[in-house]
Amino acid sequence: QQKVQQSPESLSVPEGGMASLNCTSSDRNFQYFWWYRQHSGEGPKALMSIFSDGDKKEGRFTAHLNKASLHVSLHIRDSQPSDSALYFCAATSITGNTGKLIFGLGTTLQVQP
Amino acid sequence: EAAVTQSPRSKVAVTGGKVTLSCHQTNNHDYMYWYRQDTGHGLRLIHYSYVADSTEKGDIPDGYKASRPSQENFSLILELASLSQTAVYFCASSGGYQDTQYFGPGTRLLVL
Repeated sequence: QQKVQQSPESLSVPEGGMASLNCTSSDRNFQYFWWYRQHSGEGPKALMSIFSDGDKKEGRFTAHLNKASLHVSLHIRDSQPSDSALYFCAATSITGNTGKLIFGLGTTLQVQP
Repeated sequence: EAAVTQSPRSKVAVTGGKVTLSCHQTNNHDYMYWYRQDTGHGLRLIHYSYVADSTEKGDIPDGYKASRPSQENFSLILELASLSQTAVYFCASSGGYQDTQYFGPGTRLLVL
């Protein structure tokens, strides 16, 4: 079973709209979360991390973490065509010092002009 | 912005041949990682290193070796390439185990 599960698999929103992506960890040891974005033909690029309960906002991006349910979401406000990409949720362990990231399978976001 | 480069960017290899993928970072980072990306599997960790001259196994190390001769360089070696190793390979670096990982542009490997 995938330790980090993302939904939906794909999402289409109009330009200027709000995109909401979801992620859940099934392993309580992995509760530090990252969001990465990957444009076609490029490597993933970190958008933001969230380690504490609640919201974290960076520009048009807001992440929300609920540690009790190990659920994290990413909301993209005022979506732009350049936001069209593959979005990964990744989790890292709260124990150990490897920095190992467990990735979900990703959500493909399409922003329609 | 942190810089991670990979070479080659694409490669065609024959089954049973040896393949070496190279990664170089100029970020002065201690941690380096090799991932592979496959459709339907996301990114999976193959090997990682947190200090020069030492490497650790990740989640899918079978069929792969790694080498970290210096802080800046990290190589992934396929001694006997197989069809199942066709994938896109990414190298990443980070300053610490809970720091942002910066990824390179990837190497597209096709094993025939």
